Amino acid sequence: GAVVSQHPSRVICKSGTSVKIECRSLDFQATTMFWYRQFPKQSLMLMATSNEGSKATYEQGVEKDKFLINHASLTLSTLTVTSAHPEDSSFYICSARGSGGQQFFGPGTRLTVL
Amino acid sequence: QQQVKQSPQSLIVQKGGISIINCAYENTAFDYFPWYQQFPGKGPALLIAIRPDVSEKKEGRFTISFNKSAKQFSLHIMDSQPGDSATYFCAAAPNYGGSQGNLIFGKGTKLSVKP
Repeated sequence: GAVVSQHPSRVICKSGTSVKIECRSLDFQATTMFWYRQFPKQSLMLMATSNEGSKATYEQGVEKDKFLINHASLTLSTLTVTSAHPEDSSFYICSARGSGGQQFFGPGTRLTVL
Repeated sequence: QQQVKQSPQSLIVQKGGISIINCAYENTAFDYFPWYQQFPGKGPALLIAIRPDVSEKKEGRFTISFNKSAKQFSLHIMDSQPGDSATYFCAAAPNYGGSQGNLIFGKGTKLSVKP
């Protein structure tokens, strides 16, 4: 199957700092990318959907000014958690969907905010 | 109507046994039903998926059974192995292949296969 990478795989930061997470589709062009958040022992919660070159669509309850999403190319999307706080600590997972319709997930990024 | 209900929450199976996980949905617009396998600290990986035009799909030891009238689908893992121990998520999406809607996930089932 297609490969989606995320970087970094884990990050620890101080409260108040910003953290950027990259999501790349390595061997296909992703018309749409998704960002999910997963708390321990829970399901994936969709945060936002982004299409290349346009603004992301955020799910209800997700602060767009706090979670900045950029989808500058068909193979790269970034999520920036601004002014991170301990409650933002979570497992962030991206996925990418190509023209075939199937969605492929990245390996996730563990964010810990101290 | 957007929910996908998954059960059981956790499952313990002996090696060689059959693991069965069930999901139910309400939205008749859903037409794509994938199952994902997730190991701790990793992203979900697509295991197998089905469209509503067939009632069963088999790939190796994994089988999806689909009941359109009951709006239910299930994952069967035959000859379960300790390496199958993971969390399994069912999902559903509408308008697959068209202006596809987003995946709606079940809450997950933690499977433990005892040697």
